[in-house]
Amino acid sequence: AQSVSQHNHHVILSEAASLELGCNYSYGGTVNLFWYVQYPGQHLQLLLKYFSGDPLVKGIKGFEAEFIKSKFSFNLRKPSVQWSDTAEYFCAVPSRGGYQKVTFGTGTKLQVIP
Amino acid sequence: GAVVSQHPSWVICKSGTSVKIECRSLDFQATTMFWYRQFPKQSLMLMATSNEGSKATYEQGVEKDKFLINHASLTLSTLTVTSAHPEDSSFYICSARTGRFAEAFFGQGTRLTVV
Repeated sequence: AQSVSQHNHHVILSEAASLELGCNYSYGGTVNLFWYVQYPGQHLQLLLKYFSGDPLVKGIKGFEAEFIKSKFSFNLRKPSVQWSDTAEYFCAVPSRGGYQKVTFGTGTKLQVIP
Repeated sequence: GAVVSQHPSWVICKSGTSVKIECRSLDFQATTMFWYRQFPKQSLMLMATSNEGSKATYEQGVEKDKFLINHASLTLSTLTVTSAHPEDSSFYICSARTGRFAEAFFGQGTRLTVV
């Protein structure tokens, strides 16, 4: 079964610092991947998704992620974070068959200090 | 984007009682919805897949008699926590996808506290 792993559990950055959150996936075939964000007290929202095509995916709020097949990675990046980016970020992979359930990574809490 | 609505947002119940949580897709039809549970400081764990008109598919380790799921229509799925105990206290989240290559849309979640 497909799975994703996130290496950073808690990241603290100052405003304007650059961000990169790691995500590795386990499936070796065609892969679809998501990054979701959960702001404090809010529900999960999609940041970006990769299904095919350009491996550099741009999402909302200035986030992007690069799908690197050789490294089984789909790291999330943002060149300059803001205090409002404080949230928890989840990498996720949908299953390929059956009912298309989504499996989540353990999440990374990002705290941006003003 | 598509909207998924959960009700209630939070509920407190006494140990031994049952609680029903509703999940509705407001502007699309969802033949399949998903129920997750999120413990504090942990990720979302898939509990079950809710299928319209048929039985739910439960993940390993999830008690089907404890977490009753009904998917009565293309826009409504319900999760009933039966004979709730304090260890069932958690954040329950539902989601639905609009298609095979579509993102999953999430409800706002339901905070269940069993006292």
